[in-house]
Amino acid sequence: EAGVAQSPRYKIIEKRQSVAFWCNPISGHATLYWYQQILGQGPKLLIQFQNNGVVDDSQLPKDRFSAERLKGVDSTLKIQPAKLEDSAVYLCASSLFLGDRIETQYFGPGTRLLVL
Amino acid sequence: SQQGEEDPQALSIQEGENATMNCSYKTSINNLQWYRQNSGRGLVHLILIRSNEREKHSGRLRVTLDTSKKSSSLLITASRAADTASYFCATDAWTGFQKLVFGTGTRLLVSP
Repeated sequence: EAGVAQSPRYKIIEKRQSVAFWCNPISGHATLYWYQQILGQGPKLLIQFQNNGVVDDSQLPKDRFSAERLKGVDSTLKIQPAKLEDSAVYLCASSLFLGDRIETQYFGPGTRLLVL
Repeated sequence: SQQGEEDPQALSIQEGENATMNCSYKTSINNLQWYRQNSGRGLVHLILIRSNEREKHSGRLRVTLDTSKKSSSLLITASRAADTASYFCATDAWTGFQKLVFGTGTRLLVSP
């Protein structure tokens, strides 16, 4: 079974530029998550999709971050404009929604972003 | 915000020794999960313990959960160099959907 795919793996941009990350979840996984992991910290949930609908974006800085999941499969996360504090690893994860309150999330390798 | 605080922040042991990591959290949970993260990689799910369970085993892993103290521990027995990684606890309050809140992590170094 193929895992969660993410691209690019690394990105270096200057502040005020824009950047986009792409995620392809495991086939059949209805739930997709984007996390931000700052160096030395645990991942923080940015946004969660159930199929192509958003179920939680309470921690997404909506003035600069946006995400979409068209057709309920692939997803893109965009930052515009980027700030220095956005330097982090952006992790995508997916899970199979069974509604039984027990789910395992499968993580991609992440995109390491450095904002100069 | 981080739900869990993990202790210790870093742990260095020799191969063959046991490693114990602790996690404390703040709010009621449906289950608690442990994940491993190798340097520069994504997270890998290790084990899940439900709120009505007290102990669970998986291979060399043993997890305990004390909901009265809002704490959990992960024990890795007979550690190997390949166990070198960061370990995170994640709590799930389940509000209709899963929402994992990760702790700050323990960096484990196992020396040959």
